[in-house]
Amino acid sequence: NAGVTQTPKFQVLKTGQSMTLQCAQDMNHNSMYWYRQDPGMGLRLIYYSASEGTTDKGEVPNGYNVSRLNKREFSLRLESAAPSQTSVYFCASSHTWGLAYEQYFGPGTRLTVT
Amino acid sequence: ELKVEQNPLFLSMQEGKNYTIYCNYSTTSDRLYWYRQDPGKSLESLFVLLSNGAVKQEGRLMASLDTKARLSTLHITAAVHDLSATYFCAVVQTSGSRLTFGEGTQLTVNP
Repeated sequence: NAGVTQTPKFQVLKTGQSMTLQCAQDMNHNSMYWYRQDPGMGLRLIYYSASEGTTDKGEVPNGYNVSRLNKREFSLRLESAAPSQTSVYFCASSHTWGLAYEQYFGPGTRLTVT
Repeated sequence: ELKVEQNPLFLSMQEGKNYTIYCNYSTTSDRLYWYRQDPGKSLESLFVLLSNGAVKQEGRLMASLDTKARLSTLHITAAVHDLSATYFCAVVQTSGSRLTFGEGTQLTVNP
């Protein structure tokens, strides 16, 4: 039981390049989330998927898109990376959205945009 | 908009001492979470507090929730070096479902 996995672990992009961050969970959770963490700050929600087939914007969605590929997988895409998107990205999942069950976090992707 | 504030943001303490981290939030909530993050690592769930007056303890850490005061505390008893980490509280607004995180408290326990 791997929990929440993320790929890649590290990535360096040049301004304007695109990339997709992958996330998968094997806990049969309905809800999945993408957060970013910047130095000295807590996590901020980028997008979430309350259930398979639905996605919604979080606190800081600009510059990102997401796809809930199936119940297990939730990807985050940067279409044209900017230095302001340098951050650590965490994927998380939880059993159910509405009752705010405990969220389980992946190991993170450390992204640098130059 | 829900705001979550932690204090202190930085805490350096000696082994064997006691201390409390505070988490204040701005709107009604009856669900609060504490997480631990080691440097370069992901977040690990410590406590889930689901009602007013809830108290949970694990080892040297004890968390409590006072929904009327909109305050949660994380109390550290007889600190040891292994507790060095950043601690986050996260709150769910009563009418919503998203987690809002505090800025984190970076705890360093010195021998």
